[in-house]
Amino acid sequence: AQKITQTQPGMFVQEKEAVTLDCTYDTSDPSYGLFWYKQPSSGEMIFLIYQGSYDQQNATEGRYSLNFQKARKSANLVISASQLGDSAMYFCAMGSNDYKLSFGAGTTVTVRA
Amino acid sequence: EAGVAQSPRYKIIEKRQSVAFWCNPISGHATLYWYQQILGQGPKLLIQFQNNGVVDDSQLPKDRFSAERLKGVDSTLKIQPAKLEDSAVYLCASSPDPGSADTQYFGPGTRLTVL
Repeated sequence: AQKITQTQPGMFVQEKEAVTLDCTYDTSDPSYGLFWYKQPSSGEMIFLIYQGSYDQQNATEGRYSLNFQKARKSANLVISASQLGDSAMYFCAMGSNDYKLSFGAGTTVTVRA
Repeated sequence: EAGVAQSPRYKIIEKRQSVAFWCNPISGHATLYWYQQILGQGPKLLIQFQNNGVVDDSQLPKDRFSAERLKGVDSTLKIQPAKLEDSAVYLCASSPDPGSADTQYFGPGTRLTVL
């Protein structure tokens, strides 16, 4: 069984600062993918970044980077230079060979001006 | 490229009534998913289609929920009869092919309130 844990229910960050969102996972599958999604108040899930379990380098997409530590089973999301529009709920998810996405409980990020 | 379309965006019904949601995935995407997201939680997979066949419906409450994807393109999710605990956002997602590396793209969701 797969499990995704996000231990931070809510975080505040000052505009232009960086914020790290924690995600740990548990799986027995040798091959898996880790995803981060953003869900603003409008409700749509927006794909941000992907990391494969066999990828040697940490994924980056613009201001988003994924700090992947396979031995610790963690996949933290770093948002650099926070903007007011980054205020949203952020979900970590894992997909593996059964093709399902398992989501964590999410972390609410509030960016302060 | 058009994204995943869902309708309606909002629906309010009374318990024991029926409701249906519609989803049109991204063109060319073979795999379609329906998720239920209860307030304050992450989405939970209800059913997964590969073309017009069901891959996984183990989490679908089949006594009241049904879903179909007859032509392998758009899909309908139905609840009959609805219960109070069905109040949630119903998200539809699609991906080109199933796989651990395959990104799922989500629609805007349908927010259902059961009174």
